[in-house]
Amino acid sequence: KAGVTQTPRYLIKTRGQQVTLSCSPISGHRSVSWYQQTPGQGLQFLFEYFSETQRNKGNFPGRFSGRQFSNSRSEMNVSTLELGDSALYLCASSLLAAMNTGELFFGEGSRLTVL
Amino acid sequence: GENVEQHPSTLSVQEGDSAVIKCTYSDSASNYFPWYKQELGKRPQLIIDIRSNVGEKKDQRIAVTLNKTAKHFSLHITETQPEDSAVYFCAASISGNKLVFGAGTILRVKS
Repeated sequence: KAGVTQTPRYLIKTRGQQVTLSCSPISGHRSVSWYQQTPGQGLQFLFEYFSETQRNKGNFPGRFSGRQFSNSRSEMNVSTLELGDSALYLCASSLLAAMNTGELFFGEGSRLTVL
Repeated sequence: GENVEQHPSTLSVQEGDSAVIKCTYSDSASNYFPWYKQELGKRPQLIIDIRSNVGEKKDQRIAVTLNKTAKHFSLHITETQPEDSAVYFCAASISGNKLVFGAGTILRVKS
């Protein structure tokens, strides 16, 4: 069974641009959550989708948005990029409808550098 | 509140020694506490988890303890090996179907 796949793996953008990241969950997993990882800050929760609906959102500005498609694939978008948005963006899928009660399967992440 | 504090931020141990990482949480409704290991350049992976109806769980050299009254839980690694070197994250479930992660602990096992 294929794991969680994230694309692109690496990307470089400049301030003010926008970026779209993609995540394909494990087959059969309907919950997809996104995290921002920066040194010293751990994994900061961005949002979680289940069956194409955003169920939860973290404390990030409106520049961060996402969506989920009918095949459970998810995308996140960051508009008007700032230097501080440079980070590793991880997505995770869960077999369970309640994503906070069982194992999360992470992708390898998309490393975004904003210049 | 939605907060998980993790200590220490870095931990160096000699091969064969034990390592302990501690986390505290604030939501009294938290009932699921996983630990993830992230090796350098790799994805985080679940290594052990515990639910609020038990106080301790072991899996070979790894154990987790939970003190619900004090709202803290700990990861214990015995007989550490170089391959245990990684970043370890604790997490706690909170109300509203959320999972909050600690800031991580960099564990270095010196051989």
